[in-house]
Amino acid sequence: GQQLNQSPQSMFIQEGEDVSMNCTSSSIFNTWLWYKQDPGEGPVLLIALYKAGELTSNGRLTAQFGTTRKDSFLNISASIPSDVGIYFCAGPGSGNTGKLIFGQGTTLQVKP
Amino acid sequence: NAGVTQTPKFQVLKTGQSMTLQCAQDMNHNSMYWYRQDPGMGLRLIYYSASEGTTDKGEVPNGYNVSRLNKREFSLRLESAAPSQTSVYFCASSSLVNTEAFFGQGTRLTVV
Repeated sequence: GQQLNQSPQSMFIQEGEDVSMNCTSSSIFNTWLWYKQDPGEGPVLLIALYKAGELTSNGRLTAQFGTTRKDSFLNISASIPSDVGIYFCAGPGSGNTGKLIFGQGTTLQVKP
Repeated sequence: NAGVTQTPKFQVLKTGQSMTLQCAQDMNHNSMYWYRQDPGMGLRLIYYSASEGTTDKGEVPNGYNVSRLNKREFSLRLESAAPSQTSVYFCASSSLVNTEAFFGQGTRLTVV
């Protein structure tokens, strides 16, 4: 079945550093979504990408839809303590059901 | 705006007990989902409802049943709870055309 692989699995960085993470798939996706989950909360949508090569920003966050349509990247610039959480990539499953497939998540910890 | 509302937020069950997790959305979305989240496993789809009147199995449906009561509400039932069903359960919704899903705050279930 379709799977999304995220890397790295976890990151521990210093406040102010930039962060990069990625998500890859063995099959083509037409949409890439990036979510953040704060501890004890549900995932919240950060950025949605709909076109190969698309680069979209949301504040200090920038995400890109890979040109092969099999990968996507999320960058966070000048990290701050509230960036702590789990970042998930997601994409629509096969068929037109609206079902989402999620990656395993990248856990980010930021040291003040 | 309430978005996606789940009840209860916390629950402890004894093995063999039954319970229903409730979910309601006020965004007029067609599709609704139930996911479970376990440490290191990401979000796994239990059941989904692409539209009112339809339900389909996801990745991990065993031990669960669902009801799409109307367009707003989608419930998840555990008929005979088992310790393996200890998890955090998330309900989500999305429109068919736009696959961006919005999540509730989760139900933390412990089966002892």
